[in-house]
Amino acid sequence: DTGVSQDPRHKITKRGQNVTFRCDPISEHNRLYWYRQTLGQGPEFLTYFQNEAQLEKSRLLSDRFSAERPKGSFSTLEIQRTEQGDSAMYLCASSLVQGGEAFFGQGTRLTVV
Amino acid sequence: ELKVEQNPLFLSMQEGKNYTIYCNYSTTSDRLYWYRQDPGKSLESLFVLLSNGAVKQEGRLMASLDTKARLSTLHITAAVHDLSATYFCAVDRNGGSQGNLIFGKGTKLSVKP
Repeated sequence: DTGVSQDPRHKITKRGQNVTFRCDPISEHNRLYWYRQTLGQGPEFLTYFQNEAQLEKSRLLSDRFSAERPKGSFSTLEIQRTEQGDSAMYLCASSLVQGGEAFFGQGTRLTVV
Repeated sequence: ELKVEQNPLFLSMQEGKNYTIYCNYSTTSDRLYWYRQDPGKSLESLFVLLSNGAVKQEGRLMASLDTKARLSTLHITAAVHDLSATYFCAVDRNGGSQGNLIFGKGTKLSVKP
């Protein structure tokens, strides 16, 4: 499968715990994006990378959220001290610099109990 | 405030009927995206509309873009049950192709026999 891959697909965690999600983009794509989607809403942009550089992070929801893409390939999204309001689907997408069409992964569904 | 508004949000259709979903946006973007999402699944790219007057068709779906009116339409012809899904339109927040997309709330389409 050469699409965008996310792991895990589902995560249940207790409030206050830290969680980390992984995204592997399409191999030739140098842009990688993180979105959050809550029930009944469209995806909400969080951050994006071009290669290893994080070019936009002002829309990360709080300082509990952070993302990395250390070698310009896979990326991780970490949420520290999770809250019930963090329960959502976290989507990763990737694209080429030129063209801009973003292809989405299957998402990680987070449930905070 | 940047907005993407879809109309209607819910649509129940009978098989064989035609209908149009509308997407209005408030940015100056000349690029608009349509995505499909099945329940519990990720987003599938349907169309990328790159310029004013662009029209694209795939099967029973046809999308168009009027950048002067800041309006895109997704027309459904002779609906079939397999088209039941949620459809999202999105534009780039910065008006270009940087992937910082603003999504509408989605139109939940249900096609009944």
